[in-house]
Amino acid sequence: KNEVEQSPQNLTAQEGEFITINCSYSVGISALHWLQQHPGGGIVSLFMLSSGKKKHGRLIATINIQEKHSSLHITASHPRDSAVYICAVRSYMDSNYQLIWGAGTKLIIKP
Amino acid sequence: GAVVSQHPSWVICKSGTSVKIECRSLDFQATTMFWYRQFPKQSLMLMATSNEGSKATYEQGVEKDKFLINHASLTLSTLTVTSAHPEDSSFYICSARGQGDSYEQYFGPGTRLTVT
Repeated sequence: KNEVEQSPQNLTAQEGEFITINCSYSVGISALHWLQQHPGGGIVSLFMLSSGKKKHGRLIATINIQEKHSSLHITASHPRDSAVYICAVRSYMDSNYQLIWGAGTKLIIKP
Repeated sequence: GAVVSQHPSWVICKSGTSVKIECRSLDFQATTMFWYRQFPKQSLMLMATSNEGSKATYEQGVEKDKFLINHASLTLSTLTVTSAHPEDSSFYICSARGQGDSYEQYFGPGTRLTVT
C-alpha cells in the first residue's frame, strides 16, 4: 500500500462543475502540498498545508490531521484547470524535508 | 512567490556525451535542493537531495557517479548526466527550499532530456 494515495486517478468533468480530489496518507506529516503539473511538465505549488483550510481564487484545500486526509476543491472549473494534480506529504521524521508523492489525478475539464 | 529556474528547458544529446542541467533559486537562498526524474505518465521520483556545501545524498538505485550533483552556492545546483544513454531520456525537475520549517518547496519548470 502506498503511503500517499490519491483518488480518483482520472477525472473528466464539464466546465463549471465543482471538482474534488482526495488525498489520504498513512505517515505522520509536518506538511502536505498540493501541486499542479501541466502537460508541458512544469510544476506549480498550489498550497502547503499543516492544518485547516486555505483558499486561493477558485481553489480550496482542506486537511484533517486526525483522519490523515486532505481534499483539493476547484469551484467553477474551467478547461484551463486541466492538468495533473499531485498531493505530496512531508514526513515529520525527515529532517531533509523530502516529499512522499501521490500518483497524481489527471483532470480534464471539457468546454 | 519564490522562483526557481532551470536551464536548459530541453536538450537533445548523443549517446555517450555528458549534459549539465542548472537549477537556480532567483529570489531566495536555497539551503536544500532536490532533483527529481519523471518518466512519461509516471510520478516524480526523487533522485537526490543536496544541502549547500555538502555532498548530495542519493536515493537507492541512483548512480552517484552517473548523476553528478553540485550545490556550490545557496542559489545554484547542477546535475550532470555523464555518459548519457537513451534510457536516461526523461524529464528532470529540481526544487529548492530555504532555511526554516515554514519555507515551502519551490519547483523549477523542468528540463526534458532526449538522448539519441
